[in-house]
Amino acid sequence: DAGVTQSPTHLIKTRGQQVTLRCSPKSGHDTVSWYQQALGQGPQFIFQYYEEEERQRGNFPDRFSGHQFPNYSSELNVNALLLGDSALYLCASSLGLEQYFGPGTRLTVT
Amino acid sequence: AQSVAQPEDQVNVAEGNPLTVKCTYSVSGNPYLFWYVQYPNRGLQFLLKYITGDNLVKGSYGFEAEFNKSQTSFHLKKPSALVSDSALYFCAVYGGTSYGKLTFGQGTILTVHP
Repeated sequence: DAGVTQSPTHLIKTRGQQVTLRCSPKSGHDTVSWYQQALGQGPQFIFQYYEEEERQRGNFPDRFSGHQFPNYSSELNVNALLLGDSALYLCASSLGLEQYFGPGTRLTVT
Repeated sequence: AQSVAQPEDQVNVAEGNPLTVKCTYSVSGNPYLFWYVQYPNRGLQFLLKYITGDNLVKGSYGFEAEFNKSQTSFHLKKPSALVSDSALYFCAVYGGTSYGKLTFGQGTILTVHP
């Protein structure tokens, strides 16, 4: 049984560009959450998707958007990248309270 | 708003000694508490959770945690540390109306010396 998978593993973008990160949840999980982990910090909640709708959102600007597909996979889109968006982006899937995390995508903005 | 504090940036213990990693929380309503571990360049691995019931929760790899409602604490413990336990540990909480939004502490680096 595959766990949570994320792609790509690493990504380098330039300021002002747009990026899309992808996540496939653990088998049987219907909820996907996204977190941003800056270097030396704990993960910060971006948003959560359930039944293809954004259910909750953290304190992130509208430049951060997402989508959930009928097969429960999800995308995180970030527009107009800033240097401060450089971080590890973690996807987590869940069926109940317990969230299972993927290995993350390391985004570097230059 | 909910919050988590991990007062120690680093904890150092000798192999074979007991370890404790501290966590306190603030949340409205009943808390749902979690511990995760992160190894370098990896995602988070679930260790254990407290939802309700017994205040002493047992989890993966011999770890356990004690929920103390009056002190709003959820300290992670292990009776005998291993060098392989060296990693970054995060405490996290759900609470109130923010179901689904995990709030994490800043993390504690645990180093176990041979």
